[in-house]
Amino acid sequence: AQSVAQPEDQVNVAEGNPLTVKCTYSVSGNPYLFWYVQYPNRGLQFLLKYITGDNLVKGSYGFEAEFNKSQTSFHLKKPSALVSDSALYFCAVRDWGNYGQNFVFGPGTRLSVLP
Amino acid sequence: DVKVTQSSRYLVKRTGEKVFLECVQDMDHENMFWYRQDPGLGLRLIYFSYDVKMKEKGDIPEGYSVSREKKERFSLILESASTNQTSMYLCATSLGDSGANVLTFGAGSRLTVL
Repeated sequence: AQSVAQPEDQVNVAEGNPLTVKCTYSVSGNPYLFWYVQYPNRGLQFLLKYITGDNLVKGSYGFEAEFNKSQTSFHLKKPSALVSDSALYFCAVRDWGNYGQNFVFGPGTRLSVLP
Repeated sequence: DVKVTQSSRYLVKRTGEKVFLECVQDMDHENMFWYRQDPGLGLRLIYFSYDVKMKEKGDIPEGYSVSREKKERFSLILESASTNQTSMYLCATSLGDSGANVLTFGAGSRLTVL
């Protein structure tokens, strides 16, 4: 069965510094990987995805993620954090059971960017 | 942009009450989902539907049922609410059956069962 781990409940970073939110996964077959963000009192928004091709994927709001097959990781990164990036971040992998329509989500990592 | 609208942002119900959570989308997405979000557990799938009148159980269907009579509307029903169903409920949609398709979420419905 597919699974996703986000080893950090909370990440704190100073504004202007680079940020990394970690994600590791376990899948059978080729992984389809996603990052979503949830701002306070809002639903989740799609940030970026890896399906195939270049291991470095660029997404919304200046975020990027690096797919590493040997380490089964898909870490989210941003070169310079903004206070407005403070939110809850979820990594997800496509679940090929359930007609291939489901996602398996990690527990989430709360990012706090300090001014 | 696809808009996914959940009818209630905040609800407070009593144990044993029947609860309806409604979700409406304004695009022609085939797939609709109900997730439950709890701190430290991420999102867990309750039910999903890939077509009108079709439904499939997710990971935690116990205590819930769903209805999809029209393509744009997917309802989650708690037949007899219990305190352990206090949670944030998220509706989502996606287009077609490509594995690359992303989920589009509603704003969520926070349910408190007293």
